Amino acid sequence: SQTIHQWPATLVQPVGSPLSLECTVEGTSNPNLYWYRQAAGRGLQLLFYSVGIGQISSEVPQNLSASRPQDRQFILSSKKLLLSDSGFYLCAWSGGNSNQPQHFGDGTRLSIL
Amino acid sequence: AQSVAQPEDQVNVAEGNPLTVKCTYSVSGNPYLFWYVQYPNRGLQFLLKYITGDNLVKGSYGFEAEFNKSQTSFHLKKPSALVSDSALYFCAVRGPTSGTYKYIFGTGTRLKVLA
Repeated sequence: SQTIHQWPATLVQPVGSPLSLECTVEGTSNPNLYWYRQAAGRGLQLLFYSVGIGQISSEVPQNLSASRPQDRQFILSSKKLLLSDSGFYLCAWSGGNSNQPQHFGDGTRLSIL
Repeated sequence: AQSVAQPEDQVNVAEGNPLTVKCTYSVSGNPYLFWYVQYPNRGLQFLLKYITGDNLVKGSYGFEAEFNKSQTSFHLKKPSALVSDSALYFCAVRGPTSGTYKYIFGTGTRLKVLA
């Protein structure tokens, strides 16, 4: 069966520090991969998605970036974190067909001090 | 443009009573519709989906949803609510057009089941 792993679960970082969040998927190949941010336990904001290795689509201009160095690995990065980057970051994957649901990791709670 | 609306920020229901969480959508063509549940500090869990066919879809944990094309709605229902159903619920839509990789989520409805 397919599984998705996200780490770390929680992270506290000072303003201006770099960021790297990692997400990996097991049990499937060529998944569509997504990064979301969720503020205050409410709506989801799509940050990036990827339909293949090296293919990244950005939804929101900001100081975050994403990379997909391997088929089942998706990384969210920043060179210098801002206070506004605090939030709950969720990684998700889906199959290639439009009628398939997304499957989410358990998220990373990021606090910026 | 595709959109999803969840008109209620919060729904309160007594344990044992039926529950309904509302969702309406706007999409070109026939939609693919999904419901997810989120517990505190966890990711979203898939509950059920509507693709085509029977308008009443059954999913996990006793939940079901009714697709109504004329009202463009996809309401989540459960005949008898449990306290453990208290969580945040999201409706989502994905268009059938090939190459549409994005899922459009509603803003979420917090369900509170009172003992």
